[in-house]
Amino acid sequence: EVQLVESGGGLVQPGGSLRLSCSASGFTFSSYAMHWVRQAPGKGLEYVSAISSNGGSTYYADSVKGRFTISRDNSKNTLYLQMSSLRAEDTAVYYCVKGGDPNAFDIWGQGTMVTVSS
Amino acid sequence: QTVVTQEPSLTVSPGGTVTLTCASSTGAVTSGYYPNWFQQKPGQAPRALIYSTSNKHSWTPARFSGSLLGGKAALTLSGVQPEDEAEYYCLLYYGGAQWVFGGGTKLTVL
Repeated sequence: EVQLVESGGGLVQPGGSLRLSCSASGFTFSSYAMHWVRQAPGKGLEYVSAISSNGGSTYYADSVKGRFTISRDNSKNTLYLQMSSLRAEDTAVYYCVKGGDPNAFDIWGQGTMVTVSS
Repeated sequence: QTVVTQEPSLTVSPGGTVTLTCASSTGAVTSGYYPNWFQQKPGQAPRALIYSTSNKHSWTPARFSGSLLGGKAALTLSGVQPEDEAEYYCLLYYGGAQWVFGGGTKLTVL
């Protein structure tokens, strides 16, 4: 069964840092691009970041550029999102999403909640 | 600032047909925007339905179909079931790995 399990969320103060992880199973992790998508409480989906299958290319939404870093360890089948200089507006559920067909997003994790508050 | 626009809400009767649309502030949506559609029910993660305009995932019910309609991406539900009540999001590609979600359509089955 293809599965993505996020972890690492929690409560952090403004200006703080947090690292999210996404553990993948049931597919050849190293063959697929991966993405992070977030959803603020009661709001819609926001595309955050992407990384190519070999980690050589990355993309960031303007809202997180310079503060978040996406990475992956294909030997551990794990995707990461290092978040720093966190702001209240970063409060959201963060989803890990598997890229499918070159332009598809097929499998979503259950999400991990990040709350930025003093 | 690229904006992707969806109907905020739609209502459909059980067994009926409804079309949700997805428009781009940059102009007509074409296949090159690789429209994706997702369904999200309260308290759950989104679930993928359609990719690259009209392709279904293996788990996508046959009553869901994707297309381009009048310069927009469209998701049509035919023979709507009560369990189709959910929020639906589209996602469009703008090049350079940039993807933008629409604001979502809340579909009520009544």
